[in-house]
Amino acid sequence: QKEVEQDPGPLSVPEGAIVSLNCTYSNSAFQYFMWYRQYSRKGPELLMYTYSSGNKEDGRFTAQVDKSSKYISLFIRDSQPSDSATYLCAMRNSGYSTLTFGKGTMLLVSP
Amino acid sequence: DGGITQSPKYLFRKEGQNVTLSCEQNLNHDAMYWYRQDPGQGLRLIYYSQIVNDFQKGDIAEGYSVSREKKESFPLTVTSAQKNPTAFYLCASSFREHTEAFFGQGTRLTVV
Repeated sequence: QKEVEQDPGPLSVPEGAIVSLNCTYSNSAFQYFMWYRQYSRKGPELLMYTYSSGNKEDGRFTAQVDKSSKYISLFIRDSQPSDSATYLCAMRNSGYSTLTFGKGTMLLVSP
Repeated sequence: DGGITQSPKYLFRKEGQNVTLSCEQNLNHDAMYWYRQDPGQGLRLIYYSQIVNDFQKGDIAEGYSVSREKKESFPLTVTSAQKNPTAFYLCASSFREHTEAFFGQGTRLTVV
């Protein structure tokens, strides 16, 4: 079983839809969770950073962490064509550790 | 503006040649990282450094080398020993080891 699983997509939605992107993980020691957005041929851009369980909201984006289920989600409200990108989840332990990434989900938002 | 600068954006090299990719940050971050990204493979860690003059191998360090002589700089050398060097290379940095990482815009290396 891979440490972090993420559906590669593509996930195609119409403009204005609510998008749900998800990752599951196996390492219960993960404490810090991140979502990155990556446009084609660009570096990943940090969208959300959360610690432990709970929700965090930033504009149209909501990150949710359920440590009991080892499941994290990113919700995008009122999706826009400019949201079309690959979304990567990443996580790490407390103390020193490097990031473990999912392989990314490609999102396509059509006008 | 603070950020991470990778150069060049595109790099072409002949097989058998060593090539060095530049990564500079002015965020005053302690930790720096090099990742390789291939289609369908996600990001794989090559090397990372927590402090100046110290670095550790990541998951795929074979055929690569790094140095960390200055806090701001973490160059990556792709040597001729790397069997499949054509890829998108990403440099990242973080303030501390457990904080979020920020990425540069990447260098696309093509070996012909």
